[in-house]
Parts: sequence; C-alpha cells; structure tokens
Amino acid sequence: GAVVSQHPSWVICKSGTSVKIECRSLDFQATTMFWYRQFPKKSLMLMATSNEGSKATYEQGVEKDKFLINHASLTLSTLTVTSAHPEDSSFYICSASPFGGGTLNTEAFFGQGTRLTVV
Amino acid sequence: QQPVQSPQAVILREGEDAVINCSSSKALYSVHWYRQKHGEAPVFLMILLKGGEQKGHEKISASFNEKKQQSSLYLTASQLSYSGTYFCGTEEGTDKLIFGTGTRLQVFP
Repeated sequence: GAVVSQHPSWVICKSGTSVKIECRSLDFQATTMFWYRQFPKKSLMLMATSNEGSKATYEQGVEKDKFLINHASLTLSTLTVTSAHPEDSSFYICSASPFGGGTLNTEAFFGQGTRLTVV
Repeated sequence: QQPVQSPQAVILREGEDAVINCSSSKALYSVHWYRQKHGEAPVFLMILLKGGEQKGHEKISASFNEKKQQSSLYLTASQLSYSGTYFCGTEEGTDKLIFGTGTRLQVFP
C-alpha cells in the first residue's frame, strides 16, 4: 500500500514557541492531504485540507493563523503550530490518498502521527 | 456534523461477537471503517461505496444500508487482536473524511 511518513513522532516544546510537523507521501504524489487532531480518548477531528500550490481549507473553528499549513510540493505538507500553548497539546495526524484529490471512494493512508506536548 | 457510533464501548471474551453501528444525519457517498490502537495511526479495514453493499474481511464484515445513512461493522469470533477503538469515516460528497465518535472494544481471554 501507499506510504505516508510523518515527522517528528513526538515533540515537547515550551509555551509560546512554534512547532513544525511534516507529512510526506513516500511513493505517490498527493495533491491533497488532510490534517487531523485527536485528544485523548476522543475521535479524530479534521482540522484542514492541504492543497498543493494553493491555500489550505480550514474547518470551522480552526484558527488559520495558529495552524499554518503549507503544501509546497506534491509529496510534502507541513503543519506549523504557532505560539503553542498547553491546550494545543494533542496527537496530530495527516492522511493522503494516492488516487488524486481527496478520499472520496478511496482508502485514506495515514502518517504515524505526532504527539505534541506543550509545557 | 460528526457521525454517531454506538455503543461507545464494548467488552468481550474471546470468541464472542459484536456489532458497531455508525449513523449519520445525511446521505453518504461512502463509509470507511478503521481500527486504531492506542498512540498509533488508524488502520484501514474496509470501504463501502453503495447503498445496500455488504463486504467481508475474514471475520470482520460490514454493511451500508439502502438509504446510505447508516453502516454497521460486524466482528465475529473476536480475537485479542481485535481490541482497539473503531471509527467509521464518512463522506458526504465533500471529498474529505469525517470520523465518527468511536467505539472502544476490549477483548479479554
């Protein structure tokens, strides 16, 4: 199956600093990637849709200026959590599909996830 | 709006069966099922595309009702490895996957 790699697996940062998380499709090109956030014992909540070469589309309630998404190439999307605070501590995970576009009618492949802890 | 799953949690002995339901307020284009172990990425189980479709995967199968607003996941003769949290993922034609509320399944020897 297709491989999506996410880095880092975990990160601890100080309150007020910024953290960048990378999501790479290793063996396919992804024009669209998705970023999810998951709090302990909760479901995966879609944060935004990352579009190669254009602006990301954010879900309602997600702060665009706080969660910066860049999709500069067909294999890489980055999520930057700016001015992180303890309430941003969560499990962040990306997904992509090798069949172009989004996940309509196709399996979504997930990165390993990044556990962010803000102290 | 997030699909609602029931039950929220299930406890089984090895060999027992379980049914997990996923319900949406809207008609769906497709339903995905995933299993997630603690701290790991979700693992794809299956996808159903058509109303009335049923699909099987070893001892795990699923159905997608005719009105395309509900899906059920059937786990038969459960094994210890089935433990985890099960999520349905639904698409309403927006080309993005919205996950259900989740069902935590624990299988004991």
